[in-house]
Amino acid sequence: KAGVTQTPRYLIKTRGQQVTLSCSPISGHRSVSWYQQTPGQGLQFLFEYFSETQRNKGNFPGRFSGRQFSNSRSEMNVSTLELGDSALYLCASSGGLAGGTDTQYFGPGTRLTVL
Amino acid sequence: DAKTTQPPSMDCAEGRAANLPCNHSTISGNEYVYWYRQIHSQGPQYIIHGLKNNETNEMASLIITEDRKSSTLILPHATLRDTAVYYCIVRVITNDYKLSFGAGTTVTVRA
Repeated sequence: KAGVTQTPRYLIKTRGQQVTLSCSPISGHRSVSWYQQTPGQGLQFLFEYFSETQRNKGNFPGRFSGRQFSNSRSEMNVSTLELGDSALYLCASSGGLAGGTDTQYFGPGTRLTVL
Repeated sequence: DAKTTQPPSMDCAEGRAANLPCNHSTISGNEYVYWYRQIHSQGPQYIIHGLKNNETNEMASLIITEDRKSSTLILPHATLRDTAVYYCIVRVITNDYKLSFGAGTTVTVRA
């Protein structure tokens, strides 16, 4: 099975711009979670989508948004970029059904640099 | 989710077994022990998980003590490519998919 894929792998933007990141989950997985990872804050949860609905949300401002398509692929968007948004953005997919072990598998990440 | 405690760093000789300890003394009965690792600037990689029985897969073995207050991840034959930060987490499998990693253990495998 192919793993989680994320595009693009690297991105450089300037303050005030917006960016869209894409994630394709493992085939058959219906849950996609997004995380931001920085050296100072570590891994921080952004949101989780299941069957095209946002099911969980972290404590990030409204500039961070996402969506999921019917094929489970997901995108996240960051508007009005700030310098502090520079980070590794990670996508993780899982089956999405509770009641047992539901392991999250991570993609390689998108390295976003805001200048 | 219960907290975990891991040593900040450890060295291991290539070809030898690496034993990574993790304390989770406040673990609840329905919490699983998960291990991930992250090679520099890459996405975290799932290694193994368990509830109370010892587990083994192609990457590693997980030994959980009988009281479940601690566990050990064993990499049987460490290679240079196993150099990474290893994270031990405990979590309940619910609809809350928020993972949280601590500082982890930086493992350096030396030739």
